[in-house]
Amino acid sequence: GENVEQHPSTLSVQEGDSAVIKCTYSDSASNYFPWYKQELGKRPQLIIDIRSNVGEKKDQRIAVTLNKTAKHFSLHITETQPEDSAVYFCAASILRNAGNMLTFGGGTRLMVKP
Amino acid sequence: DTAVSQTPKYLVTQMGNDKSIKCEQNLGHDTMYWYKQDSKKFLKIMFSYNNKELIINETVPNRFSPKSPDKAHLNLHINSLELGDSAVYFCASSQDLSRRETQYFGPGTRLLVL
Repeated sequence: GENVEQHPSTLSVQEGDSAVIKCTYSDSASNYFPWYKQELGKRPQLIIDIRSNVGEKKDQRIAVTLNKTAKHFSLHITETQPEDSAVYFCAASILRNAGNMLTFGGGTRLMVKP
Repeated sequence: DTAVSQTPKYLVTQMGNDKSIKCEQNLGHDTMYWYKQDSKKFLKIMFSYNNKELIINETVPNRFSPKSPDKAHLNLHINSLELGDSAVYFCASSQDLSRRETQYFGPGTRLLVL
Protein backbone atom coordinates (compact mmCIF):
# COMPACT_ATOMS: atom_id res chain seq x y z
CA GLY A 1 0.00 0.00 0.00
CA GLU A 2 0.86 3.67 0.00
CA ASN A 3 3.42 4.97 2.48
CA VAL A 4 3.82 8.69 3.18
CA GLU A 5 6.79 10.04 5.10
CA GLN A 6 6.88 13.58 6.44
CA HIS A 7 9.81 15.68 7.70
CA PRO A 8 10.59 17.31 9.99
CA SER A 9 8.43 16.11 12.87
CA THR A 10 8.89 19.44 14.65
CA LEU A 11 9.84 22.82 13.25
CA SER A 12 10.46 26.02 15.17
CA VAL A 13 10.81 29.32 13.30
CA GLN A 14 10.88 32.99 14.17
CA GLU A 15 7.87 35.08 13.20
CA GLY A 16 8.36 36.40 9.68
CA ASP A 17 10.64 33.55 8.59
CA SER A 18 9.66 30.87 6.09
CA ALA A 19 8.79 27.27 6.94
CA VAL A 20 9.15 24.25 4.66
CA ILE A 21 7.69 20.81 5.27
CA LYS A 22 8.55 17.91 2.99
CA CYS A 23 6.76 14.65 2.19
CA THR A 24 7.58 11.62 0.10
CA TYR A 25 5.18 8.93 -1.09
CA SER A 26 5.68 5.43 -2.41
CA ASP A 27 2.84 4.70 -4.84
CA SER A 28 3.26 6.34 -8.23
CA ALA A 29 -0.50 5.89 -8.82
CA SER A 30 -1.27 8.60 -6.23
CA ASN A 31 -2.43 11.77 -7.93
CA TYR A 32 -3.97 14.02 -5.28
CA PHE A 33 -1.98 15.57 -2.45
CA PRO A 34 -3.79 17.65 0.18
CA TRP A 35 -2.30 19.44 3.16
CA TYR A 36 -4.23 19.73 6.42
CA LYS A 37 -3.67 22.03 9.38
CA GLN A 38 -4.72 20.86 12.83
CA GLU A 39 -4.75 23.34 15.69
CA LEU A 40 -4.62 22.05 19.24
CA GLY A 41 -7.81 20.20 20.11
CA LYS A 42 -9.40 20.95 16.74
CA ARG A 43 -10.21 19.04 13.58
CA PRO A 44 -7.82 18.77 10.60
CA GLN A 45 -8.72 21.42 8.02
CA LEU A 46 -7.65 21.51 4.40
CA ILE A 47 -5.37 24.46 3.66
CA ILE A 48 -4.19 23.67 0.15
CA ASP A 49 -4.06 20.75 -2.25
CA ILE A 50 -2.36 19.88 -5.51
CA ARG A 51 -3.24 17.49 -8.27
CA SER A 52 -0.70 15.56 -10.27
CA ASN A 53 -1.14 17.55 -13.45
CA VAL A 54 0.21 20.65 -11.69
CA GLY A 55 3.76 21.22 -10.40
CA GLU A 56 3.12 24.17 -8.12
CA LYS A 57 0.17 25.95 -6.54
CA LYS A 58 0.08 29.10 -4.45
CA ASP A 59 -2.52 30.65 -2.16
CA GLN A 60 -1.35 33.88 -0.51
CA ARG A 61 1.42 32.90 1.96
CA ILE A 62 1.09 29.18 1.30
CA ALA A 63 2.51 27.27 -1.64
CA VAL A 64 2.83 23.60 -2.49
CA THR A 65 5.20 22.00 -4.98
CA LEU A 66 5.00 18.51 -6.45
CA ASN A 67 7.70 16.43 -8.12
CA LYS A 68 6.03 13.31 -9.49
CA THR A 69 9.24 11.84 -10.82
CA ALA A 70 10.90 11.96 -7.43
CA LYS A 71 7.59 11.27 -5.63
CA HIS A 72 7.86 14.15 -3.23
CA PHE A 73 5.87 17.26 -2.44
CA SER A 74 6.45 20.19 -0.12
CA LEU A 75 4.54 22.87 1.75
CA HIS A 76 6.03 26.35 1.93
CA ILE A 77 4.73 29.00 4.32
CA THR A 78 6.20 32.48 3.95
CA GLU A 79 6.10 35.36 6.44
CA THR A 80 5.03 33.03 9.23
CA GLN A 81 2.76 34.34 11.98
CA PRO A 82 2.08 32.97 15.49
CA GLU A 83 -1.37 31.79 14.30
CA ASP A 84 0.38 29.46 11.85
CA SER A 85 1.47 27.38 14.86
CA ALA A 86 -0.24 23.99 14.51
CA VAL A 87 0.36 20.43 13.36
CA TYR A 88 0.49 20.10 9.57
CA PHE A 89 -0.28 16.84 7.77
CA CYS A 90 0.46 15.93 4.20
CA ALA A 91 -1.49 13.15 2.51
CA ALA A 92 -1.54 11.20 -0.73
CA SER A 93 -4.68 9.83 -2.32
CA ILE A 94 -4.86 6.41 -3.87
CA LEU A 95 -7.75 4.46 -5.33
CA ARG A 96 -8.41 1.42 -3.17
CA ASN A 97 -11.35 -0.96 -3.74
CA ALA A 98 -13.03 1.76 -5.81
CA GLY A 99 -12.66 4.19 -2.90
CA ASN A 100 -10.64 7.35 -2.41
CA MET A 101 -8.19 6.57 0.37
CA LEU A 102 -5.98 9.21 1.95
CA THR A 103 -2.74 8.07 3.54
CA PHE A 104 -1.38 10.69 5.91
CA GLY A 105 2.17 11.57 6.83
CA GLY A 106 3.15 11.55 10.50
CA GLY A 107 2.60 15.29 10.95
CA THR A 108 4.86 18.30 11.58
CA ARG A 109 4.43 20.41 14.67
CA LEU A 110 5.18 23.98 13.60
CA MET A 111 5.92 26.55 16.28
CA VAL A 112 6.19 30.18 15.28
CA LYS A 113 7.90 32.27 17.94
CA PRO A 114 6.83 35.92 18.20
CA ASP B 1 -24.44 25.39 9.74
CA THR B 2 -22.12 22.61 10.95
CA ALA B 3 -20.96 20.55 7.98
CA VAL B 4 -19.75 17.36 9.69
CA SER B 5 -20.80 16.78 13.29
CA GLN B 6 -20.02 14.05 15.79
CA THR B 7 -21.44 13.04 19.16
CA PRO B 8 -20.31 12.74 21.82
CA LYS B 9 -17.33 15.08 21.91
CA TYR B 10 -15.81 13.26 24.89
CA LEU B 11 -16.30 9.66 25.98
CA VAL B 12 -14.77 8.18 29.12
CA THR B 13 -15.56 4.54 29.81
CA GLN B 14 -14.31 1.37 31.43
CA MET B 15 -12.52 -1.48 29.70
CA GLY B 16 -14.91 -4.11 28.40
CA ASN B 17 -17.82 -1.73 27.80
CA ASP B 18 -19.59 -1.20 24.47
CA LYS B 19 -19.96 2.33 23.13
CA SER B 20 -21.13 4.15 20.01
CA ILE B 21 -20.07 7.34 18.28
CA LYS B 22 -22.40 9.08 15.84
CA CYS B 23 -21.55 11.15 12.77
CA GLU B 24 -23.73 13.24 10.52
CA GLN B 25 -22.94 15.40 7.50
CA ASN B 26 -25.24 17.96 5.89
CA LEU B 27 -23.09 18.56 2.82
CA GLY B 28 -24.98 16.14 0.60
CA HIS B 29 -21.84 14.02 0.23
CA ASP B 30 -21.97 10.40 -0.86
CA THR B 31 -18.86 9.15 0.93
CA MET B 32 -18.03 9.07 4.63
CA TYR B 33 -15.00 7.88 6.60
CA TRP B 34 -13.78 7.05 10.08
CA TYR B 35 -10.21 7.88 11.11
CA LYS B 36 -8.34 7.13 14.31
CA GLN B 37 -5.77 9.61 15.65
CA ASP B 38 -3.51 8.13 18.31
CA SER B 39 -1.58 9.88 21.06
CA LYS B 40 1.29 10.59 18.68
CA LYS B 41 -1.14 12.41 16.36
CA PHE B 42 -0.85 9.78 13.64
CA LEU B 43 -4.03 9.80 11.49
CA LYS B 44 -5.10 6.46 10.04
CA ILE B 45 -8.17 5.54 8.06
CA MET B 46 -10.41 2.83 9.50
CA PHE B 47 -13.46 2.66 7.24
CA SER B 48 -14.97 4.25 4.19
CA TYR B 49 -18.63 4.08 3.12
CA ASN B 50 -20.20 5.20 -0.13
CA ASN B 51 -23.98 5.53 -0.29
CA LYS B 52 -24.35 3.27 2.75
CA GLU B 53 -22.05 0.63 1.30
CA LEU B 54 -18.74 -0.38 2.91
CA ILE B 55 -15.85 0.40 0.57
CA ILE B 56 -12.71 0.31 2.70
CA ASN B 57 -11.98 -1.65 5.86
CA GLU B 58 -8.39 -1.13 6.89
CA THR B 59 -7.81 -4.31 8.93
CA VAL B 60 -9.72 -2.94 11.88
CA PRO B 61 -10.61 -5.48 14.63
CA ASN B 62 -14.08 -7.01 14.45
CA ARG B 63 -14.92 -5.21 17.69
CA PHE B 64 -15.41 -2.10 15.55
CA SER B 65 -18.60 -2.14 13.52
CA PRO B 66 -19.60 0.84 11.40
CA LYS B 67 -23.21 1.34 10.39
CA SER B 68 -24.61 3.70 7.80
CA PRO B 69 -28.42 4.02 8.04
CA ASP B 70 -28.37 6.56 5.19
CA LYS B 71 -25.70 8.39 3.27
CA ALA B 72 -25.74 11.34 5.66
CA HIS B 73 -24.91 9.25 8.72
CA LEU B 74 -22.07 6.92 9.62
CA ASN B 75 -21.97 5.57 13.17
CA LEU B 76 -19.22 3.59 14.84
CA HIS B 77 -19.98 0.95 17.45
CA ILE B 78 -17.15 -0.48 19.50
CA ASN B 79 -17.55 -3.69 21.53
CA SER B 80 -15.42 -4.83 24.47
CA LEU B 81 -13.39 -1.65 24.64
CA GLU B 82 -9.65 -2.02 25.30
CA LEU B 83 -7.09 0.43 26.69
CA GLY B 84 -5.50 0.70 23.23
CA ASP B 85 -8.75 2.04 21.80
CA SER B 86 -8.12 5.34 23.59
CA ALA B 87 -7.68 7.91 20.82
CA VAL B 88 -9.48 10.68 18.98
CA TYR B 89 -11.88 9.37 16.36
CA PHE B 90 -12.63 11.64 13.40
CA CYS B 91 -15.46 11.25 10.98
CA ALA B 92 -15.02 12.80 7.52
CA SER B 93 -16.96 13.09 4.29
CA SER B 94 -16.26 13.79 0.63
CA GLN B 95 -18.43 14.41 -2.41
CA ASP B 96 -18.01 10.96 -3.90
CA LEU B 97 -15.55 8.16 -4.53
CA SER B 98 -13.38 10.22 -6.82
CA ARG B 99 -9.79 9.94 -5.73
CA ARG B 100 -9.27 13.67 -6.03
CA GLU B 101 -11.94 14.92 -3.68
CA THR B 102 -11.44 17.03 -0.59
CA GLN B 103 -12.33 15.34 2.68
CA TYR B 104 -14.03 17.42 5.39
CA PHE B 105 -13.47 16.36 8.98
CA GLY B 106 -15.78 16.41 11.96
CA PRO B 107 -14.69 17.87 15.32
CA GLY B 108 -13.55 14.52 16.69
CA THR B 109 -14.59 12.30 19.60
CA ARG B 110 -12.02 11.91 22.35
CA LEU B 111 -12.33 8.39 23.71
CA LEU B 112 -10.58 7.44 26.94
CA VAL B 113 -10.75 3.84 28.09
CA LEU B 114 -9.86 3.29 31.76
